[in-house]
Amino acid sequence: QQQVKQSPQSLIVQKGGISIINCAYENTAFDYFPWYQQFPGKGPALLIAIRPDVSEKKEGRFTISFNKSAKQFSLHIMDSQPGDSATYFCAASKGDGQNFVFGPGTRLSVLP
Amino acid sequence: NAGVTQTPKFQVLKTGQSMTLQCAQDMNHNSMYWYRQDPGMGLRLIYYSASEGTTDKGEVPNGYNVSRLNKREFSLRLESAAPSQTSVYFCASSFVDSPYEQYFGPGTRLTVT
Repeated sequence: QQQVKQSPQSLIVQKGGISIINCAYENTAFDYFPWYQQFPGKGPALLIAIRPDVSEKKEGRFTISFNKSAKQFSLHIMDSQPGDSATYFCAASKGDGQNFVFGPGTRLSVLP
Repeated sequence: NAGVTQTPKFQVLKTGQSMTLQCAQDMNHNSMYWYRQDPGMGLRLIYYSASEGTTDKGEVPNGYNVSRLNKREFSLRLESAAPSQTSVYFCASSFVDSPYEQYFGPGTRLTVT
């Protein structure tokens, strides 16, 4: 039961480059799309989130792009830094916490 | 504020043994969650508690039981551990009206041999 698909599985980017992670969902009832960042040995932490009535949201170097008709959304990390090296999870939420689904994750490595 | 705390950090069990994973939060959140994280699978919801006294099954509840002891504490019990339950377990909490904004504990790495 994977309601949120995520790609790529792993990503290597040079310092200063742009990292792009893509996700696709199936259930049109989802009403919130967050991204979580997880460092090794730590729990995930909310990075940025978007509602489906907005096409783009930017916070610092992190931008979510949302395409409601295609049921896709993506995370762009501009000017990627070695400190951004982590696993990133997209997720989708509908109503209460029982309907909260994570993608399988993307392991990002930013080379110095 | 400690946020979300989990004990123990590591545990090794033999098949058939039982144990309880403890979780507590000090952010006055209503909702609490238990997830398991396996390679390539992301995080999968085991059980969810919207408020004190209520619990609901998530995607992978088989082999687990939970107790919402009070608003702060939510425990996960494995009655008869199996090797398939080898995983990293995370507890999380949130306000009930913002389930997308969950705060996670540091995790418990469980190995069942």
